[in-house]
Amino acid sequence: GDSVTQMEGPVTLSEEAFLTINCTYTATGYPSLFWYVQYPGEGLQLLLKATKADDKGSNKGFEATYRKETTSFHLEKGSVQVSDSAVYFCALSVPTANNLFFGTGTRLTVIP
Amino acid sequence: KAGVTQTPRYLIKTRGQQVTLSCSPISGHRSVSWYQQTPGQGLQFLFEYFSETQRNKGNFPGRFSGRQFSNSRSEMNVSTLELGDSALYLCASSRRERATEAFFGQGTRLTVV
Repeated sequence: GDSVTQMEGPVTLSEEAFLTINCTYTATGYPSLFWYVQYPGEGLQLLLKATKADDKGSNKGFEATYRKETTSFHLEKGSVQVSDSAVYFCALSVPTANNLFFGTGTRLTVIP
Repeated sequence: KAGVTQTPRYLIKTRGQQVTLSCSPISGHRSVSWYQQTPGQGLQFLFEYFSETQRNKGNFPGRFSGRQFSNSRSEMNVSTLELGDSALYLCASSRRERATEAFFGQGTRLTVV
């Protein structure tokens, strides 16, 4: 079935460190891929997306590239800030379903 | 442009009671989906409505139900509440069915005691 496997957390980094959160997927057909972010006490916000192979989604310094050959969509940021502390969810949607499939989430804490 | 609005933000209910949660989608969005978020199970899909019709349903018992009105606003209802129903319930809206982008509300935090 359709699913997302996401790097387990929590992840703790110092400010200005490089961030990678791994995400791989299993899907029928051609999925669209997403990263959502959830700040404490809030709902989910769409961070970035990619709808076809080799697309790169980017926003607020975060990037992720849709890799069909490795079925991956890893999230990266070159220099994290304290304000990036949140839970990050990788997700996919497929044309045959009406819902998003989410990974388990990765909690990121950035310390000054 | 207003975002997705969920009411109430917080609820405390007793086991056995029922509860109704409300979601107002972004103006012009016709699809509304509901998700349950718990520490143990993560984000699980409940159901999706489009044009007042339930299009898809997740693996939840019949105690969980929902509906959508002609103005696209949606409600979900949980009857005979159990302690395990304590969760953050998130609503997401999309412009159309099977859209590639969903916008989430802040959620309703339900605590069952």
